[in-house]
Amino acid sequence: AQTVTQSQPEMSVQEAETVTLSCTYDTSESNYYLFWYKQPPSRQMILVIRQEAYKQQNATENRFSVNFQKAAKSFSLKISDSQLGDTAMYFCAFNSDYKLSFGAGTTVTVRA
Amino acid sequence: GAVVSQHPSWVICKSGTSVKIECRSLDFQATTMFWYRQFPKQSLMLMATSNEGSKATYEQGVEKDKFLINHASLTLSTLTVTSAHPEDSSFYICSAGWDYHLYEQFFGPGTRLTVL
Repeated sequence: AQTVTQSQPEMSVQEAETVTLSCTYDTSESNYYLFWYKQPPSRQMILVIRQEAYKQQNATENRFSVNFQKAAKSFSLKISDSQLGDTAMYFCAFNSDYKLSFGAGTTVTVRA
Repeated sequence: GAVVSQHPSWVICKSGTSVKIECRSLDFQATTMFWYRQFPKQSLMLMATSNEGSKATYEQGVEKDKFLINHASLTLSTLTVTSAHPEDSSFYICSAGWDYHLYEQFFGPGTRLTVL
């Protein structure tokens, strides 16, 4: 079974600043997908960014970017120019065999 | 595109009764649907995977007779919590995907179940 570890239960960041969320995972597979999901207070799961393991280039979506280190099994998320609407719980997830395994989550609070 | 809905969004029931939650893919045919359970401030835990026309596959520790899952069509899956008890109170989320694209799942808005 794959395990996903998010070691930061809570993070706080000033509006317009940058915050980085960490995620590590454990797998013996070579081909898989990694995701970051955002869950705001509405509790709707929103896909933030996706990374395919066979791609070396780090994924980027506007203010969100990842640092994917396959050998280290690390997949961190950087939120640049933080906005109040970024306040949410963020989950790192691993997809293999079409099943998603989630980390425990990191609550991000953006301060005005 | 790829919109998933759930109904109801919130349900309150008495202990001992059964409650059904629907998950629908609105603009695509979902060959596979997933059901998750989430307690407050915790992560999502996969309960079961259902494929259209087949029996659901339950994760270890999930009671099959307690959580009945049906995936009778390519757009609808249902989760029935039978003989509900207060400890079944939780947030239930479904997601859906289709063959050859199952590396990504599309999530419904979730259903909050409160058992009195």
